[in-house]
Amino acid sequence: DAKTTQPNSMESNEEEPVHLPCNHSTISGTDYIHWYRQLPSQGPEYVIHGLTSNVNNRMASLAIAEDRKSSTLILHRATLRDAAVYYCILTNTGNQFYFGTGTSLTVIP
Amino acid sequence: DAGVIQSPRHEVTEMGQEVTLRCKPISGHDYLFWYRQTMMRGLELLIYFNNNVPIDDSGMPEDRFSAKMPNASFSTLKIQPSEPRDSAVYFCASSLRWFYEQYFGPGTRLTVT
Repeated sequence: DAKTTQPNSMESNEEEPVHLPCNHSTISGTDYIHWYRQLPSQGPEYVIHGLTSNVNNRMASLAIAEDRKSSTLILHRATLRDAAVYYCILTNTGNQFYFGTGTSLTVIP
Repeated sequence: DAGVIQSPRHEVTEMGQEVTLRCKPISGHDYLFWYRQTMMRGLELLIYFNNNVPIDDSGMPEDRFSAKMPNASFSTLKIQPSEPRDSAVYFCASSLRWFYEQYFGPGTRLTVT
C-alpha cells in the first residue's frame, strides 16, 4: 500500500493560514491524494482530493508538488473549529484507504 | 438524506459474546466501508463492498470477524466470539464511487470486558 508521512502535530494561531504537509514519495501515477479530518469524538470528514493539479473548495486548498511526491493542505484562516486530526491518504483502484496517524492540529485563540 | 446511520452507538459486552454492528449507507452509494479505530493502531480499513459484494476483506483481523451486505441499504459487522482486544470504535462509511469522498457514520464504540 502506498504510504504517506505527516508530522504528528502542528499549532496555528486563530485566523492565520495553516499549511499541513504530506510526503508521499512512493506515489504512483494513478494514485489520488485525499485529505480527511477527524474532529474529537466524530467520524472522519472529507476535506479535499486531487490528482495532479491544485484544487480549491469551500473548506481548503490542496497544493500538489510538480513531481507529486508531496502535497500541502492549506486552511486559509484557521478557526477553533478546525482543530482536528488531518489525514493525508493515497488511493487508486488497487489500493486500500490507508489513513495512518495523521497530523493533530491545535488552533490557539 | 440522514447520512450514514450506525447502530448501536455504544455497546458493552462480555468476552465470548457475539456482537453485531449495523450500518445503513447513504442511498445510492455503491461502496460501503467498515473501519476500526484504536489509539494504538489508528484507523484501519477492515473490509469494503461494491454493489453489495465484498471486494477486499484483507483487513479483517481474523475469522472471528465477518461482514455481510444483504442489500444496498444494510450491512452488518459481526464479531463472534468477542475479546477484550476488539474494544474500539467501529466506523461505517459509504461513497458514490471509489475515488469519491467517503461519508462516515458516527461510529459504534465497542467495549468488551
